[in-house]
Amino acid sequence: NAGVMQNPRHLVRRRGQEARLRCSPMKGHSHVYWYRQLPEEGLKFMVYLQKENIIDESGMPKERFSAEFPKEGPSILRIQQVVRGDSAAYFCASSRALGTGELFFGEGSRLTVL
Amino acid sequence: AQTVTQSQPEMSVQEAETVTLSCTYDTSENNYYLFWYKQPPSRQMILVIRQEAYKQQNATENRFSVNFQKAAKSFSLKISDSQLGDTAMYFCAYGGSQGNLIFGKGTKLSVKP
Repeated sequence: NAGVMQNPRHLVRRRGQEARLRCSPMKGHSHVYWYRQLPEEGLKFMVYLQKENIIDESGMPKERFSAEFPKEGPSILRIQQVVRGDSAAYFCASSRALGTGELFFGEGSRLTVL
Repeated sequence: AQTVTQSQPEMSVQEAETVTLSCTYDTSENNYYLFWYKQPPSRQMILVIRQEAYKQQNATENRFSVNFQKAAKSFSLKISDSQLGDTAMYFCAYGGSQGNLIFGKGTKLSVKP
């Protein structure tokens, strides 16, 4: 019974490149959440998606960041034209349904922008 | 908007002793969940304990227990018989009607031998 799978675990990009982070939720889970953790800080909510729908993107920067959760395949968090300030750990979590409380987290993807 | 406050950036405890981590939150909702997550150096987010707001009884999980005071909006975590493996960042989190979790800034716990 695989947990939330994120890849890559580590990603290095140069300024101006694109970063794509992938997340496969737990089996049976249709709700996906992305969080960002800057060094020495807590997790900040970015976006909440269900299959083919963005439910809440109130935590997403308005530019360069986008997320999707297609009908088939993993959820993708895409960061265009990365800057050094994008360096962080990006965590994906999933839940079975809204209001069930607990989120199950992946191991995170650490993005380093040179 | 809901907020979660952890007022202790760092704490330390001797092995086998007991330590309490504080957390307060603010919400206008009546039904919600509260969580404590542990993040060891591996950075994996591990659920330690969870509390449903409608339950008056405090949740316990082995050496971990909470003191949930709904009226005071307080949700502290007690770790008994601290072990070296308990060394980690501990995050308090609020889960309400919107589905996503709101995290505090964390408390860095060091267990000393």
